[in-house]
Amino acid sequence: EVHLVESGGGLVQPGRSLRLSCAASGFTFDDYAMHWVRQAPGKGLEWVSSTSWNGGTTDYADSVKGRFTISRDNAKNSLYLQMNSLRPEDTALYYCAKDKSLTSGLLDYWGQGTLVTVSS
Amino acid sequence: EIVLTQSPDTLSLSPGERATLSCRASQSVSNSHLAWYQHKPGQAPRLLISYVLDRATGIQDRFSGSGSGTDFTLTISRLEPEDFAVYYCQHYGSSRGTFGQGTKVEIK
Repeated sequence: EVHLVESGGGLVQPGRSLRLSCAASGFTFDDYAMHWVRQAPGKGLEWVSSTSWNGGTTDYADSVKGRFTISRDNAKNSLYLQMNSLRPEDTALYYCAKDKSLTSGLLDYWGQGTLVTVSS
Repeated sequence: EIVLTQSPDTLSLSPGERATLSCRASQSVSNSHLAWYQHKPGQAPRLLISYVLDRATGIQDRFSGSGSGTDFTLTISRLEPEDFAVYYCQHYGSSRGTFGQGTKVEIK
């Protein structure tokens, strides 16, 4: 059974940094692309970032480009999101999601999310 | 980048009724790369349908997808109590996926 468990969220001041982690199990991690998707309070789903199976190709939403960095450690079955220069508008529940293939953008499994609050 | 617009924003229905949710794309969706997700408060989003009409594993047949080009529909034939949730359409097919703003199906 596929499990995705996010961690690392919390309360952080504007301008500071935070690193999110996602522990994956129940599938061959390095066979699939992985994504981060967020949901701000009272808003819908927003795709944030993706990484290919080996981390060689990454992509970012314009809203986070240059501030966030996605990475993965296939030996540890783990996905990460380094978030720098955080802004209040980055406040959201951040979900880790598995791609259905090498890189399609179709997300067949999601974690429960970790909450990031950016506030002074 | 394709922009997806869902309608209505909220659908108020009773259990047993039929729900029809719309998703309109700003340009034609190629290769039928249109998916639907269900999201309940406090839970992980769940993939319902991919390639416009293919139900994901374990999804009940009361959920069906249809459409082509720029207009797509998710139909729930008879609403069960557990179907009241927010539904999102998504365009995929590259390293990123674009979501619609969501339709909330609430109990009338």
